[in-house]
Amino acid sequence: SQTIHQWPATLVQPVGSPLSLECTVEGTSNPNLYWYRQAAGRGLQLLFYSVGIGQISSEVPQNLSASRPQDRQFILSSKKLLLSDSGFYLCAWSVFGQGAPGANVLTFGAGSRLTVL
Amino acid sequence: DAKTTQPPSMDCAEGRAANLPCNHSTISGNEYVYWYRQIHSQGPQYIIHGLKNNETNEMASLIITEDRKSSTLILPHATLRDTAVYYCIVRRSYNTDKLIFGTGTRLQVFP
Repeated sequence: SQTIHQWPATLVQPVGSPLSLECTVEGTSNPNLYWYRQAAGRGLQLLFYSVGIGQISSEVPQNLSASRPQDRQFILSSKKLLLSDSGFYLCAWSVFGQGAPGANVLTFGAGSRLTVL
Repeated sequence: DAKTTQPPSMDCAEGRAANLPCNHSTISGNEYVYWYRQIHSQGPQYIIHGLKNNETNEMASLIITEDRKSSTLILPHATLRDTAVYYCIVRRSYNTDKLIFGTGTRLQVFP
């Protein structure tokens, strides 16, 4: 069965420090991968998505970047964190398909809660 | 992808059916209706999706109107564990597979 892992689960970082959040998926090949962010009391914002190794699409301009060095690994990074980067970061995966049962259904990880002080 | 409109909040008594509405009047013929929910401090969870016909699974039922401009998610016997934010999303099945979440409906199930 497929599983998705995100780490760390919680972190507190000072302003200006770097960030690296990691996400890995097991049990599937060539998944679509996503990073979402949820600020406190707000909705889910799509940050990045990737349809393959090295292929990253950014949805909104921001202080963050994403990389996909391996098929089932997705990394969210920042060189210098801002206070506004605080939030709940969620990684998700799906398998592209046309109408197949379960196609295009996103499965989310447990999330990484980032507090920037 | 078509936009959706949901009430910001709803209440439901435990054991009763919870009916969550969603308007998607600009939906096009090749767009599906998806429902997810997010329990506090967790990642969203897929519930159900459909194109034209009503759908049912172990979690819920999805009723789509004949003109497809609105739908209703039904939790037949709501429990306290169903308290969550419910998101209705419409999108094509064969594009880049992005899911854009709106603000959803906050369902509070009370004893």
